[in-house]
Amino acid sequence: EAGVAQSPRYKIIEKRQSVAFWCNPISGHATLYWYQQILGQGPKLLIQFQNNGVVDDSQLPKDRFSAERLKGVDSTLKIQPAKLEDSAVYLCASSSTTGQYNEQFFGPGTRLTVL
Amino acid sequence: SQQGEEDPQALSIQEGENATMNCSYKTSINNLQWYRQNSGRGLVHLILIRSNEREKHSGRLRVTLDTSKKSSSLLITASRAADTASYFCATVTSGTYKYIFGTGTRLKVLA
Repeated sequence: EAGVAQSPRYKIIEKRQSVAFWCNPISGHATLYWYQQILGQGPKLLIQFQNNGVVDDSQLPKDRFSAERLKGVDSTLKIQPAKLEDSAVYLCASSSTTGQYNEQFFGPGTRLTVL
Repeated sequence: SQQGEEDPQALSIQEGENATMNCSYKTSINNLQWYRQNSGRGLVHLILIRSNEREKHSGRLRVTLDTSKKSSSLLITASRAADTASYFCATVTSGTYKYIFGTGTRLKVLA
């Protein structure tokens, strides 16, 4: 079974530029998550999708971050414009449902450096 | 911050010793999960304990949960160099099923 795919693996941009990350979840997984992990901290949930609908985006900085999951499969996360404090690893995860006892499967992440 | 707290922040032990790390959280939970993160394999799920369970075992892992104290512990027995990683607890809140990760414990196992 193929795991969660993410690209790119690394990205370096200047502040105020825009950037986009892509995620392809495990086949058949209805729930997709985007996390931000700052160095030395645990992952922080940015947005959660159930199929192509948003379940939770309470911690997404909506003035600069956006995400979509068209057709309920792969997803993109965009930052526009980027700030220095956006430097982090962006993790995508998926699970089979939004049910109570599901484990999440994580992709390798995209390491973003904002200069 | 919504994140749970884990302690210790860092732990260094010899191969063969046991490692214990603790997680405290703030909300009412449905279940609590432990994940491991290292550079080679990213974040990987280790074990899940439901809110009505007090203890669970999986191989060399033992997890306990005390909902009255809002705390959990992860014990790794007979540690190996390959256990070197960061370990995170993740709580799944009751009702909303929202995942909240802790701050993590960095474990180093010396050969």
